Amino acid sequence: EPEVTQTPSHQVTQMGQEVILRCVPISNHLYFYWYRQILGQKVEFLVSFYNNEISEKSEIFDDQFSVERPDGSNFTLKIRSTKLEDSAMYFCASSGRLARQETQYFGPGTRLLVL
Amino acid sequence: AQSVTQLGSHVSVSEGALVLLRCNYSSSVPPYLFWYVQYPNQGLQLLLKYTTGATLVKGINGFEAEFKKSETSFHLTKPSAHMSDAAEYFCAVSEGGGADGLTFGKGTHLIIQP
Repeated sequence: EPEVTQTPSHQVTQMGQEVILRCVPISNHLYFYWYRQILGQKVEFLVSFYNNEISEKSEIFDDQFSVERPDGSNFTLKIRSTKLEDSAMYFCASSGRLARQETQYFGPGTRLLVL
Repeated sequence: AQSVTQLGSHVSVSEGALVLLRCNYSSSVPPYLFWYVQYPNQGLQLLLKYTTGATLVKGINGFEAEFKKSETSFHLTKPSAHMSDAAEYFCAVSEGGGADGLTFGKGTHLIIQP
């Protein structure tokens, strides 16, 4: 069964460094999402992406963050100048259609630790 | 704005007992509701979803959920718990046009006692 994959599974970085989290969505999907979950808190929507541009973004997704589809298979989340509070699990998701009822398929996540 | 509340961060049941995980939502429009499960070191997997039509929704692994508009609830149940059901369960609501993403509850960790 097709699945969303994410690399790395764990990332440790120093405060102020830049990190890039990578995702490979399901191959025929067109809509991509990033979510994050700070330890002990809710899974929170960050951004949605379609046709090489951002569709929607939450208030969390400020200028520190950016997303890109650098090629036909990868979808990346870049976090510039990381802060301690960026430590979280980051989930990538994809869906085949843009509709409220459409199922989003999630990857296993990347656990980011900022020291 | 939509929100989801899951009562109980941890729920413990005996193997073979009824599983009941509670989810209440608030939404300004008719909601679309989802339950996801996360097993250790895996991604979120869809258990079931309610969009329109029948309010009792059946999902994978013997789980089902009932949408009750009057109670703004979408509780998840399973008649008989199995050890393999131990996982984190997330309730989510979709209110926007799909691009807005899902709004999740905090999750409930289900523990199965032998």
